[in-house]
Amino acid sequence: AQTVTQSQPEMSVQEAETVTLSCTYDTSESNYYLFWYKQPPSRQMILVIRQEAYKQQNATENRFSVNFQKAAKSFSLKISDSQLGDTAMYFCAQKGRQGGSEKLVFGKGTKLTVNP
Amino acid sequence: NAGVTQTPKFQVLKTGQSMTLQCAQDMNHEYMSWYRQDPGMGLRLIHYSVGAGITDQGEVPNGYNVSRSTTEDFPLRLLSAAPSQTSVYFCASSKMDRDPLEQYFGPGTRLTVT
Repeated sequence: AQTVTQSQPEMSVQEAETVTLSCTYDTSESNYYLFWYKQPPSRQMILVIRQEAYKQQNATENRFSVNFQKAAKSFSLKISDSQLGDTAMYFCAQKGRQGGSEKLVFGKGTKLTVNP
Repeated sequence: NAGVTQTPKFQVLKTGQSMTLQCAQDMNHEYMSWYRQDPGMGLRLIHYSVGAGITDQGEVPNGYNVSRSTTEDFPLRLLSAAPSQTSVYFCASSKMDRDPLEQYFGPGTRLTVT
């Protein structure tokens, strides 16, 4: 079974600093996809970044980047130059195939607060 | 495109009542799913569908029914609401492809069962 673990329930960072959110996962599949979603107070789920497991290069989207360690099954999110608008819940998720169908499994989330 | 829409945004039910949460997408996505979000639990998959006429259970299906008569719509039915079903419900959709894309989420429905 797929599992996703986020070990940091809450984190805080000062504006303009860098913060790293941790995520580990477990899967028996060889080809899968990993995502970070942001959920601000508006409740909308917003895709931040995604990584294909077969790609060794770490994904980057502007101030957001990942450190993907496939052997360790680790997928951390780094936010550089943190902004007040980055305050949100962040969910790590893994997508793969089980029983011939697509499934997305989420971690429990990390609440990030960016302080002025 | 409107994306993924959900109605209603808020709902209060009494124990034992039934209701249907509506979900629609206009992106011609094959895959649609329902999640519930509870504090400290993240999002958990209730039911999903890979196309019209095909549905399957997720992680927490008990107490919920779904059907998929069209590509666009994927309603979630609560036949006899229980306080344990108080939660925020999200519908999501995505293309199914050799290279699967990310899921697009609706704005959510906050359901309270008293």
